[in-house]
Amino acid sequence: GAGVSQSPRYKVAKRGQDVALRCDPISGHVSLFWYQQALGQGPEFLTYFQNEAQLDKSGLPSDRFFAERPEGSVSTLKIQRTQQEDSAVYLCASSSMWGTGDDRISYEQYFGPGTRLTVT
Amino acid sequence: AQSVTQPDIHITVSEGASLELRCNYSYGATPYLFWYVQSPGQGLQLLLKYFSGDTLVQGIKGFEAEFKRSQSSFNLRKPSVHWSDAAEYFCAVVFPSGGYQKVTFGTGTKLQVIP
Repeated sequence: GAGVSQSPRYKVAKRGQDVALRCDPISGHVSLFWYQQALGQGPEFLTYFQNEAQLDKSGLPSDRFFAERPEGSVSTLKIQRTQQEDSAVYLCASSSMWGTGDDRISYEQYFGPGTRLTVT
Repeated sequence: AQSVTQPDIHITVSEGASLELRCNYSYGATPYLFWYVQSPGQGLQLLLKYFSGDTLVQGIKGFEAEFKRSQSSFNLRKPSVHWSDAAEYFCAVVFPSGGYQKVTFGTGTKLQVIP
């Protein structure tokens, strides 16, 4: 497909369970972002990858959150021992090469549809 | 502190009426400014962006935005709203400071369009 895809689209987890959320970015996009969007809020930055390197993980709320992108394409966000406050929509976005080169294209992020996580 | 504010949580307009959504930022220089739209169950779609130059920016779907340095604002406008414009709109900002910079999103304005 041409766009960013995420799976699953919906996930219900019991408190304490581990979950893994997948993001397939646009082919060839170097930059990948994860965001958390709580109900009624704007997306909050979680982490940023350039290829397989995780350059910024300052937004991860706790050490229960872990993200990886081992081959520089697909990324997985893992949440261990889920808590109710983890309930949110998790958005993934990719960019050809974030923040470099021609300004007109280097600040375009393409978002996936998100994964809605509900922790019960 | 660097921040972005969308003062209106919810706005209702009649179909065919004009629309203005407000966005203000706090920063010592000119940031990079964006407007995104999010329809229910969809990811965010970029409407328009501003880096420098002409302060009136044209975007997709008939939207435009005007950067006003004196007011630290980047308000989104549309002359005539269509029912399909009902969605949530997010202003977003990059505060350039050299090297990598992440995006900060506002809290969003939900637009309702009535017949």
